[in-house]
Amino acid sequence: GALVYQYPRRTICKSGTSMRMECQAVGFQATSVAWYRQSPQKTFELIALSTVNSAIKYEQNFTQEKFPISHPNLSFSSMTVLNAYLEDRGLYLCGAKTGGAEVFFGKGTRLTVV
Amino acid sequence: GQQVQQSPASLVLQEGENAELQCNFSSTATRLQWFYQRPGGSLVSLLYNPSGTKHTGRLTSTTVTKERRSSLHISSSQTTDSGTYFCARNMGYKLTFGTGTSLLVDP
Repeated sequence: GALVYQYPRRTICKSGTSMRMECQAVGFQATSVAWYRQSPQKTFELIALSTVNSAIKYEQNFTQEKFPISHPNLSFSSMTVLNAYLEDRGLYLCGAKTGGAEVFFGKGTRLTVV
Repeated sequence: GQQVQQSPASLVLQEGENAELQCNFSSTATRLQWFYQRPGGSLVSLLYNPSGTKHTGRLTSTTVTKERRSSLHISSSQTTDSGTYFCARNMGYKLTFGTGTSLLVDP
C-alpha cells in the first residue's frame, strides 16, 4: 500500500536556529507533495505544494525564504524551517499523492522551539 | 470566510453509542476526504468520498455534493475512536481542512 514516512518525528530547536525535516513516499510515486502545519489548537494550514517538474507554490504567509523545499525525485521531499521562532512550533505534515486525488499523510514532525 | 465547517466541535459518547459528524463546504466542486488525528498527532486518511455513500469497517460517509455537505457515521463507538476528526476539501492540489470534531468515547 501507499505509505509516507516523515522524520524526525519530534525535534526541539533553539530560537533562531534552523531545522530540516524529510518525507519519503513508499509504494507509490509522489508526483505532488504538500507540506502542512498544524499550530497548537488549530487546524492544518497549507505551506506549499511541490509538483515534480513544476515550480513550488507557496501559500500566502509562507515563503521560500523561510521554508525552503526540495523535491528532487518521486519518492523524497524535504523542508527546512529557517530561523525558527515560537510561532513556528507545531506539527508539520507531509501529504503526498500520485495521479489520483487521494492524499496520503506521514505521521508528522513535531517542532518545539525553545 | 471558512470554506469547510464542521459540527459539532466536540462530542462525548459512551462506548457502544453511534456518532454522527457533519461537514459543510462552500463549493459544489469539492472532493471530500475524512481524516482522523490520533491523540499525539499523526493524521490518518479514513475515507475519500467525493460523492455518494462509502463504508469502511464501522465508518460510513455520505456526501451530497449539490447540498454541499458530508457526514461521517461511526457505529458502535469504542474508546480507541477517541481523537479529532477532520474533513477536508480536496482540490487535487490542495486540501482545505475544517476545524475538526473532537470525539471522546468513555468506557
